[in-house]
Amino acid sequence: GAGVSQSPSNKVTEKGKDVELRCDPISGHTALYWYRQSLGQGLEFLIYFQGNSAPDKSGLPSDRFSAERTGGSVSTLTIQRTQQEDSAVYLCASSPYLNNEQFFGPGTRLTVL
Amino acid sequence: AQTVTQSQPEMSVQEAETVTLSCTYDTSESDYYLFWYKQPPSRQMILVIRQEAYKQQNATENRFSVNFQKAAKSFSLKISDSQLGDAAMYFCAYRNSQGGSEKLVFGKGTKLTVNP
Repeated sequence: GAGVSQSPSNKVTEKGKDVELRCDPISGHTALYWYRQSLGQGLEFLIYFQGNSAPDKSGLPSDRFSAERTGGSVSTLTIQRTQQEDSAVYLCASSPYLNNEQFFGPGTRLTVL
Repeated sequence: AQTVTQSQPEMSVQEAETVTLSCTYDTSESDYYLFWYKQPPSRQMILVIRQEAYKQQNATENRFSVNFQKAAKSFSLKISDSQLGDAAMYFCAYRNSQGGSEKLVFGKGTKLTVNP
């Protein structure tokens, strides 16, 4: 079956512009996660959606970052007024229910010039 | 807060040999999960192996096995009969087993090179 998909694969933007990154989870997966992988760093958690519960936003680095998940499926991560330090690979993952394996997408590489 | 430490930024191994990647973690929880993920240049994170903290038996998946030392908070990955396709970044990760967010906490990774 289809895995987690993310678009675009690569995004180059200018400092100060807004960007939207999309994640399509595996069908039927109730949990969805966003992580950020910066050069030389591990992966850091950004935000987590589980069903209809309020999302866990504890990993968002600033109020320029936001995410939504429509209809319990597709999710969009929005970064407003991008900064050069936002350059990273943004990874999305989904899982079918609690305490289960997270399946990752191929990521979006964001470059802020 | 939980932390995961991978002390080896890079490792190399000869094809067909065995290599061990180190990982330590810090938590006050008694029940949790530990994972090793592989990330090839394609960026796709692939689960290699997982371990439930309540299980004393070390997990094994074909050529991959772990040495889980709960008291020492150590979780190393052993790759036997290394193959060229094993070359990748390897990340150790931790997750609480219940309550709160299901987020993964990752180490900074170990880059594994396999020499022919």
